[in-house]
Amino acid sequence: GAVVSQHPSRVICKSGTSVKIECRSLDFQATTMFWYRQFPKQSLMLMATSNEGSKATYEQGVEKDKFLINHASLTLSTLTVTSAHPEDSSFYICSALQDGLNEKLFFGSGTQLSVL
Amino acid sequence: AQRVTQPEKLLSVFKGAPVELKCNYSYSGSPELFWYVQYSRQRLQLLLRHISRESIKGFTADLNKGETSFHLKKPFAQEEDSAMYYCALKEPGTYKYIFGTGTRLKVLA
Repeated sequence: GAVVSQHPSRVICKSGTSVKIECRSLDFQATTMFWYRQFPKQSLMLMATSNEGSKATYEQGVEKDKFLINHASLTLSTLTVTSAHPEDSSFYICSALQDGLNEKLFFGSGTQLSVL
Repeated sequence: AQRVTQPEKLLSVFKGAPVELKCNYSYSGSPELFWYVQYSRQRLQLLLRHISRESIKGFTADLNKGETSFHLKKPFAQEEDSAMYYCALKEPGTYKYIFGTGTRLKVLA
């Protein structure tokens, strides 16, 4: 099946620094990608929908200036957590939508962000 | 607003026993419904979707519009079924998926 690569899998950073997470669809083009946040033992919370070539659509309560999303190509979306704080520590997951008759959502393996 | 509810956080069954993971949704129209599974140390992946009416790894799920439910069932649980299961709803014509809170299934030997 299709593969979505998410990198890095784990990152530890100091408070105030910015962290970039990449999400790549390896063998298909994805005009639409999604970014989720998952707290321990809780569900995936959709943060934003990333659209290739246009601005991301953010869910209510998600700060777009805090979580910058760039979807510059059909195979890459990036999430940058700007000026990270300890409360931003979480598990971030991306997914990419494979269009077609049997539209399918493929997930990255996630990024564990720890802000000290 | 669209919502997906999975009432059980944890479900433990013995190997060979039937299993049912509950999922209820709230949506006024005809949504598309899915079950996703996450095995230990693996990424989330699609298990099945209601429009396919398929059986994957022995699991089936029937959409009950009257009860707004999409419960996942398997007649005989296997140890390898132990995983986190998420029910998801997608509004037709959009790309937005809404996930339930997930149910951890533990199949005991």
